Amino acid sequence: SQKIEQNSEALNIQEGKTATLTCNYTNYSPAYLQWYRQDPGRGPVFLLLIRENEKEKRKERLKVTFDTTLKQSLFHITASQPADSATYLCALYNFNKFYFGSGTKLNVKP
Amino acid sequence: DTEVTQTPKHLVMGMTNKKSLKCEQHMGHRAMYWYKQKAKKPPELMFVYSYEKLSINESVPSRFSPECPNSSLLNLHLHALQPEDSALYLCASSQDKLATDTQYFGPGTRLTVL
Repeated sequence: SQKIEQNSEALNIQEGKTATLTCNYTNYSPAYLQWYRQDPGRGPVFLLLIRENEKEKRKERLKVTFDTTLKQSLFHITASQPADSATYLCALYNFNKFYFGSGTKLNVKP
Repeated sequence: DTEVTQTPKHLVMGMTNKKSLKCEQHMGHRAMYWYKQKAKKPPELMFVYSYEKLSINESVPSRFSPECPNSSLLNLHLHALQPEDSALYLCASSQDKLATDTQYFGPGTRLTVL
């Protein structure tokens, strides 16, 4: 089965800085990888999808990279704002379904 | 309208009770999902319906019984649950069940089993 690792420790950064979150996986390289945002007591909200043959994907202040050699995806939020504070989950697609990571909590301080 | 609604928001039930969770979407999506999420853990897939037929059952105990009455509705019937079943139950839908289809999640039902 797929194992996904996201840093369980919260990431604390200052407003305006770039936040970088990591998603590492073992075993099978997924054809697709997604990033979601989840606020407390709420369902995840889709942010970005990246394919295995794409190195980088951008959307406004968000950037995702996908390195199948390192078995890693990085998620960047530039010019971070307190409203970006949330838990960010990565999800990998293998065997006809998505496997989610536990997420990393991001705290952006004003 | 990109909303998935779930009712109830909170549910407290005893181990002998029978209850149901309800999920609804009006986006014309043909795939619907149930996930279970415990605190600080990832959402775990339970069931997938595709075109109103059960497509995936992740070896979920029979005390959880899904039902898809039509393309907009998804129910999860609960019976004889255990305290360890207490969790946030999330419903999601997507256009189809392709890897490139975005899953839209509902707000979840917070279930407590006493």
